[in-house]
Amino acid sequence: QKEVEQDPGPLSVPEGAIVSLNCTYSNSAFQYFMWYRQYSRKGPELLMYTYSSGNKEDGRFTAQVDKSSKYISLFIRDSQPSDSATYLCAMGTKYNFNKFYFGSGTKLNVKP
Amino acid sequence: SQTIHQWPATLVQPVGSPLSLECTVEGTSNPNLYWYRQAAGRGLQLLFYSIGIDQISSEVPQNLSASRPQDRQFILSSKKLLLSDSGFYLCAWSAPGQGDSNQPQHFGDGTRLSIL
Repeated sequence: QKEVEQDPGPLSVPEGAIVSLNCTYSNSAFQYFMWYRQYSRKGPELLMYTYSSGNKEDGRFTAQVDKSSKYISLFIRDSQPSDSATYLCAMGTKYNFNKFYFGSGTKLNVKP
Repeated sequence: SQTIHQWPATLVQPVGSPLSLECTVEGTSNPNLYWYRQAAGRGLQLLFYSIGIDQISSEVPQNLSASRPQDRQFILSSKKLLLSDSGFYLCAWSAPGQGDSNQPQHFGDGTRLSIL
């Protein structure tokens, strides 16, 4: 079983839709959770960084962590064609500052 | 603000040739530095990380090596490339952890390496 599971998609939505992207994980020691956006032929760009459980909001983006279910989500409100990219989740523990576990990414396509 | 530079952006090399990919970070001191390889649909594989000059840890045994000759410079090398070394190579940095606080990683724009 992979440490982090993420549906590869592609996920196709119309412009203006609310998008929900999700990851599940198996390691209960994960406490740090990140979402990255990666455009084609570019490096991942950090979108959200959260610690432990709860919600964090930044503009149109909301990150949600449910540690009891080992499940994290990224919501995108009022999605735009410019949001079309691959979204990667990543997780880490406090026991190893240098090791993050990445999902394989979900490809999102927002149609105008 | 901090920036990270990787070059070249694209590289085509024959099997058996050497490799040198360079990464530099600006605007921060004593960063943690990382090399990843990203294969299509398989996520990011951590290859090396470094917490300081000449302090490098290898995560995956293979024919690649890394060096950190200066505080903000990280180099990925190989003496003889294999076909299986093809992929998208990403360099990343993070601020040193404080206490038990983990720090997120920030990526460069990568090098797409094709081995012929």
